[in-house]
Amino acid sequence: NAGVTQTPKFQVLKTGQSMTLQCAQDMNHEYMSWYRQDPGMGLRLIHYSVGAGITDQGEVPNGYNVSRSTTEDFPLRLLSAAPSQTSVYFCASRVTRTSNQPQHFGDGTRLSIL
Amino acid sequence: GENVEQHPSTLSVQEGDSAVIKCTYSDSASNYFPWYKQELGKRPQLIIDIRSNVGEKKDQRIAVTLNKTAKHFSLHITETQPEDSAVYFCAASMEYSSASKIIFGSGTRLSIRP
Repeated sequence: NAGVTQTPKFQVLKTGQSMTLQCAQDMNHEYMSWYRQDPGMGLRLIHYSVGAGITDQGEVPNGYNVSRSTTEDFPLRLLSAAPSQTSVYFCASRVTRTSNQPQHFGDGTRLSIL
Repeated sequence: GENVEQHPSTLSVQEGDSAVIKCTYSDSASNYFPWYKQELGKRPQLIIDIRSNVGEKKDQRIAVTLNKTAKHFSLHITETQPEDSAVYFCAASMEYSSASKIIFGSGTRLSIRP
């Protein structure tokens, strides 16, 4: 098993550009989520999904869209990048929607918006 | 919604001494509290968790305590070693809730002095 795979690992964008961060898991996990990590702010939940076709907003959803057309994939879209979205983005998954399971994180995507 | 506060933001201890990290949560319905460790440049990984039906849980040199009345929980690391140097995150969620959101604290950077 590859676990949770995120691509790309690094990306630089200009303000106003759009981009999709990819996340895929091969563990047949029901639950997937996206976090952003900023210095001194910890991990903040952007969006999450409890199964294919179901998504919901987390703590900081503005400026981001998600979809879950398959169990394996959970892409995060930035429609018009802003400097405030410069961050490290982590995708995570767990077996079921109930929270008492370990979350498996990807290696992260370091995104810089100029 | 749930809010998790974590203190201190940085902690430096002598190798062999103990380290304590404290967190408070706001939603009395939260009943699952995991702790994650993130080494420099790596993904967060679960190290221990506790549910609200117990007050303490131990795993070798690490332990977590929970005070439901006061809504706070703590991570204790004894006999610290250089490999304990990392950022530690506490988190809170409602186990079995359809919301399934795990909310993280802002993190504690632990440094072990030789």
